[in-house]
Amino acid sequence: EIVMTQSPATLSVSPGERATLSCRASQSVTTNLAWYQQKPGQAPRLLIYGSSTRATGIPARFSGSGSGTEFTLTISSLQSEDFAVYYCQQYNNWPPLTFGGGTKVEI
Amino acid sequence: EVQLVESGGGLVQPGGSLRLSCAASGFTFSTYGLHWVRQPPGKGLEWVSYISTGITSIYYSDSVKGRFTTSRDNAKNSLYLQMNSLRDEDTAVYYCARDLRPSNIIAVAGILPSWGQGTLVTVSS
Repeated sequence: EIVMTQSPATLSVSPGERATLSCRASQSVTTNLAWYQQKPGQAPRLLIYGSSTRATGIPARFSGSGSGTEFTLTISSLQSEDFAVYYCQQYNNWPPLTFGGGTKVEI
Repeated sequence: EVQLVESGGGLVQPGGSLRLSCAASGFTFSTYGLHWVRQPPGKGLEWVSYISTGITSIYYSDSVKGRFTTSRDNAKNSLYLQMNSLRDEDTAVYYCARDLRPSNIIAVAGILPSWGQGTLVTVSS
């Protein structure tokens, strides 16, 4: 099973600032890596897949990069609606699909 | 618009059973792989199960293998999760989710753009 590790667990950022979230895989997942956003009481929302492809309707301020075992989600200028928990997930070698533990982006 | 609506959650005693349903609309149900993903209260996401379009492939996480059974009825646009021998640690919100691309090939599966709102399963005496 591929273990996904996210850091930091919590990221404190001010509106308008840049946020950088990290995700590490225990073995290579090539670029088969997705990012999700989840707000309290809501289902996860797909942001990025293929490491860097934005999903339909996702604003350009969200960008993803990386390959192999190291990945980054960048939010270029945080808006109030971006404060949420973010999860990475690999789909390169499954089952099982595996998620990281999440990064909470807070004010 | 893609819609997934889960139902069937509730309170059940340890050792009991529950059957979850996921009603789908807004897409050609029979052509997409489907997943169950769960989230314990206050914790992260855990993949539970996958079923392919023609039910040729069904996979489970080790934590539920032998206790949970996933099925689908393409004529009714519905996905199911039969949960038996429930444990305290199965307490979670259960989501159904659809693959990004219509395919029966696992190599192109595992990206989840569409999720239901979730249904809460509480296992407690």
